[in-house]
Amino acid sequence: ETGVTQSPTHLIKTRGQQVTLRCSSQSGHNTVSWYQQALGQGPQFIFQYYREEENGRGNFPPRFSGLQFPNYSSELNVNALELDDSALYLCASSRQGRFNEQFFGPGTRLTVL
Amino acid sequence: AQSVTQLDSQVPVFEEAPVELRCNYSSSVSVYLFWYVQYPNQGLQLLLKYLSGSTLVESINGFEAEFNKSQTSFHLRKPSVHISDTAEYFCAVSESEGNEKLTFGTGTRLTIIP
Repeated sequence: ETGVTQSPTHLIKTRGQQVTLRCSSQSGHNTVSWYQQALGQGPQFIFQYYREEENGRGNFPPRFSGLQFPNYSSELNVNALELDDSALYLCASSRQGRFNEQFFGPGTRLTVL
Repeated sequence: AQSVTQLDSQVPVFEEAPVELRCNYSSSVSVYLFWYVQYPNQGLQLLLKYLSGSTLVESINGFEAEFNKSQTSFHLRKPSVHISDTAEYFCAVSESEGNEKLTFGTGTRLTIIP
């Protein structure tokens, strides 16, 4: 059984650019959640996707957007990058249901210069 | 809105000594509580969770946590730590069923001293 994978591992962008991060969910999982983990902080919930629809969103501006595909993989897009967007971005997949465990990927480290 | 406080950012402990990592939460409704562990260069792994029932929950590697509603706490304990327990530990809370949004604390770095 393949776990949650994320690509790329590391990424360097400049302020104002756009970035796309990718996540492949674990086999059998239909829900994907994205979290931002700034240095020295806990992960913060960005949004969740279930059946290709957004199913809950945290306090992030609209320039953070996402997609979920029919195979349940997902993308996180961030437009107009700001320095404060530098962080580890974590993807977690799960089966929709009452607190089925979320399985996290290793994350993508984004640096904005 | 819910929030989680982990007062100890770093906890150094000698090998085979006991440890307690503190977690307090704030919420206006019933909550569900979790501890996650993050080993270096890896993603988060669920260590244990409290959803309902017995207030004492245990993990397979010797950790336990007790839900205390009156003190709004969910402290993590282990009677004897090993070098392999070196990691970052995150307490998390969720209020809702359905989208399972997790609110995390800032984490506690556990360092085991040989």
